[in-house]
Amino acid sequence: SQQGEEDPQALSIQEGENATMNCSYKTSINNLQWYRQNSGRGLVHLILIRSNEREKHSGRLRVTLDTSKKSSSLLITASRAADTASYFCATARGGVRDMRFGAGTRLTVKP
Amino acid sequence: KAGVTQTPRYLIKTRGQQVTLSCSPISGHRSVSWYQQTPGQGLQFLFEYFSETQRNKGNFPGRFSGRQFSNSRSEMNVSTLELGDSALYLCASSLGGQLYEQYFGPGTRLTVT
Repeated sequence: SQQGEEDPQALSIQEGENATMNCSYKTSINNLQWYRQNSGRGLVHLILIRSNEREKHSGRLRVTLDTSKKSSSLLITASRAADTASYFCATARGGVRDMRFGAGTRLTVKP
Repeated sequence: KAGVTQTPRYLIKTRGQQVTLSCSPISGHRSVSWYQQTPGQGLQFLFEYFSETQRNKGNFPGRFSGRQFSNSRSEMNVSTLELGDSALYLCASSLGGQLYEQYFGPGTRLTVT
């Protein structure tokens, strides 16, 4: 069963704009990870944020985590057409067995 | 470093047949996990192998099985295929620690007719 729920389900923006995706979850977590998946291909790990961290950056990506609200957000700044993909959050409490992926946000960046 | 590789990339089988999928993890990674991805159920965890032992198992029937070899390569087997087994099967490897970043392969697209 899925725990993370991404919002929105789909997002369409113009190149150069920022894209924000949100993830909400229900139980306590150890860490939260964001992945990207291009159509029909494997997932690419983007960022892992631990439960005691509030914000993390990687290049044009910024992830925030609010454990009191059980939510996380992924911000992609200055988006590019190549950012078009589905983005998933995955929550983890302990072992891999406990890892739960959301249904994903489908991001389309128009050139 | 070479990434996670999966073979075959595409497979078409008929109901009742069995299938074996293969995954080669990143060199040095001892944990290999398998996931099933479908439009309806999303990404679902199948099982994880670590040092040739199944360490975790998801809620899938016994028709789904796997194994891991001493070189960390893993195989997944599905017997008595059903139409609902049509999916993208993803393999992921990691170092196996608690704060695990998983590295995914490109997947095997299985179609059952």
